[in-house]
Amino acid sequence: GQQVMQIPQYQHVQEGEDFTTYCNSSTTLSNIQWYKQRPGGHPVFLIQLVKSGEVKKQKRLTFQFGEAKKNSSLHITATQTTDVGTYFCAGINTGGFKTIFGAGTRLFVKA
Amino acid sequence: DGGITQSPKYLFRKEGQNVTLSCEQNLNHDAMYWYRQDPGQGLRLIYYSQIVNDFQKGDIAEGYSVSREKKESFPLTVTSAQKNPTAFYLCASSARTGTYNEQFFGPGTRLTVL
Repeated sequence: GQQVMQIPQYQHVQEGEDFTTYCNSSTTLSNIQWYKQRPGGHPVFLIQLVKSGEVKKQKRLTFQFGEAKKNSSLHITATQTTDVGTYFCAGINTGGFKTIFGAGTRLFVKA
Repeated sequence: DGGITQSPKYLFRKEGQNVTLSCEQNLNHDAMYWYRQDPGQGLRLIYYSQIVNDFQKGDIAEGYSVSREKKESFPLTVTSAQKNPTAFYLCASSARTGTYNEQFFGPGTRLTVL
């Protein structure tokens, strides 16, 4: 079945360092979503990418969708302690109804 | 306020007992979902419903049951057949299933089976 792989599983950074998490699908996706889950909280929607090669920015966060629509990345510039949490990608395959979540990347930021 | 509520936040049950987790939304969303999250793990889909009186199994439906008698409600029953029920359970909803619909999550229920 369709799988969405996400790496790394964990990332420890010093505050001010950059961070990137990568997401790869075994099949072509219709679109991809990114969510953030703070420790002890629930996932919250960040953004959705739809077009091949699409790049979107939200302040220090940059999201990319690959040309083949099978991979995506989230890059955070100059991390802050408020960035702590787990970042999930979620892909929907073309013609499908289910959203497949990656396992998430847990970000730790040391002040 | 619009949103999704789950109750209770923490739930303890003895092994062999069925337990029902509540999920209510007032967002007028058609689609609702149940996920299971284990420590340090991602989200695994248990059941989803695209419309009232209809639901489909997700990836790990064994040992769980659901109903969707009302648009705003999608309760999940964890039965005694579920071998490892201790987990964090998240309910979500979206305007509809599939493309372009972000999911809104409830605060979750942490179930511990003793």
